[in-house]
Amino acid sequence: EIVMTQSPATLSVSPGERATLSCRASQSVRSKLAWYQQKPGQAPRLLLYDASTRATGVSARFSGSGSGTEFALTISSLQSEDFAVYYCQHYNNWPPMWTFGQGTKVEIK
Amino acid sequence: EVQLVESGGGLVQPGGSLRLSCAASGLTFSNYWMTWVRQPPGKGLEWVANIKHDGSERFYVDSVKGRFTISRDNAKSSLYLQLNSLRAEDTAVYYCATDRSPQQVVAGNFDHWGQGTLVTVSS
Repeated sequence: EIVMTQSPATLSVSPGERATLSCRASQSVRSKLAWYQQKPGQAPRLLLYDASTRATGVSARFSGSGSGTEFALTISSLQSEDFAVYYCQHYNNWPPMWTFGQGTKVEIK
Repeated sequence: EVQLVESGGGLVQPGGSLRLSCAASGLTFSNYWMTWVRQPPGKGLEWVANIKHDGSERFYVDSVKGRFTISRDNAKSSLYLQLNSLRAEDTAVYYCATDRSPQQVVAGNFDHWGQGTLVTVSS
């Protein structure tokens, strides 16, 4: 099983600041990585796939980078609606044994 | 607009069974791989199972193999998850989700999600 490790667990950021979240895979997942946003009481929302491609309707404030084992999600200028938990997920293997990271909570500083 | 609506969750005793349903609308359901993802209360996400657009292939996370069965009825645009031999650690909100690719080739990421249904396994 590929283990996905996100850091930090919690990120305190002021509105308007940039936030960078990290995701590390225990072995290479090439660029087969997605990022999701989840707000309390809501389902996850797909933000990025293939490490850096924004999903339909996702703000350009969100960008992704990385390949292999090291990935990052950057939110360029945090808005109030961006405070949430963010998960990475790999989908590199077949048959599928896809795993998520444990999440990073972005909170208001 | 794509809508996924789960139902069938509830309180069940250890060893018991439940059948979850997911009704889809606003998409050509038969074109999509479908997935179940679960989330224990206050914890992270876990991919549980997925099924090919025509139902001919199904895959499961190791912890549910032999206990859970994913199925679909394309005529009813519905996805199902049969949960048997339930354990306390199966307690979670269960989400159904569409694979992002509508082209019958799995993408492995999920762009439409239902609101979830809570399964609680407790005596």
